[in-house]
Amino acid sequence: QKEVEQNSGPLSVPEGAIASLNCTYSDRVSQSFFWYRQYSGKSPELIMSIYSNGDKEDGRFTAQLNKASQYVSLLIRDSQPSDSATYLCAVNTNGGTSYGKLTFGQGTILTVHP
Amino acid sequence: DGGITQSPKYLFRKEGQNVTLSCEQNLNHDAMYWYRQDPGQGLRLIYYSQIVNDFQKGDIAEGYSVSREKKESFPLTVTSAQKNPTAFYLCASSIDAPGTSAIDEQFFGPGTRLTVL
Repeated sequence: QKEVEQNSGPLSVPEGAIASLNCTYSDRVSQSFFWYRQYSGKSPELIMSIYSNGDKEDGRFTAQLNKASQYVSLLIRDSQPSDSATYLCAVNTNGGTSYGKLTFGQGTILTVHP
Repeated sequence: DGGITQSPKYLFRKEGQNVTLSCEQNLNHDAMYWYRQDPGQGLRLIYYSQIVNDFQKGDIAEGYSVSREKKESFPLTVTSAQKNPTAFYLCASSIDAPGTSAIDEQFFGPGTRLTVL
């Protein structure tokens, strides 16, 4: 069983809609969760981090964490064509310690069409 | 300008050759990491280092070696023992905070694309 799982997509949404990206993880003691955006041929860019249950909002982005269900999601409101990219979920799977051993999902390809 | 630099951007290797990928950061970050990304896949951890002169194997360390002689630099050598080295190599760094429960965010360099001829 993969430690961090994402639907590979592609997920296609119309411009202006809400894009919903989901991620599940297997290590119950994980404490840190991250969403990265990666444009084709480029390196990942950190867009959200979340550590506590609930929602965290930053502009058009909202991260949602539910540790009981081992589930983290990213909502993108008012999606724009420039949001078209691969979104990577990353989880600290090193037993909840502070050391930076992140495990990445395979990524979800998002396409926002005009 | 603070950031992480990687060089070269593209690298071609012949069979049986060792090559070294450079990673430098001026963010004063303690921890540095090397990842490998294959097409359509997530990132896999090769090596990481939390302090100078110390580093740990990640999930796929075989065929790779690293050094951490300076805080700013964490070069990766892809040896001839690595049978399938063609991939996108990404270096990252984080502040790191030993003893805390929160992970510090990792920031990535632009990457090096390695191709075996």
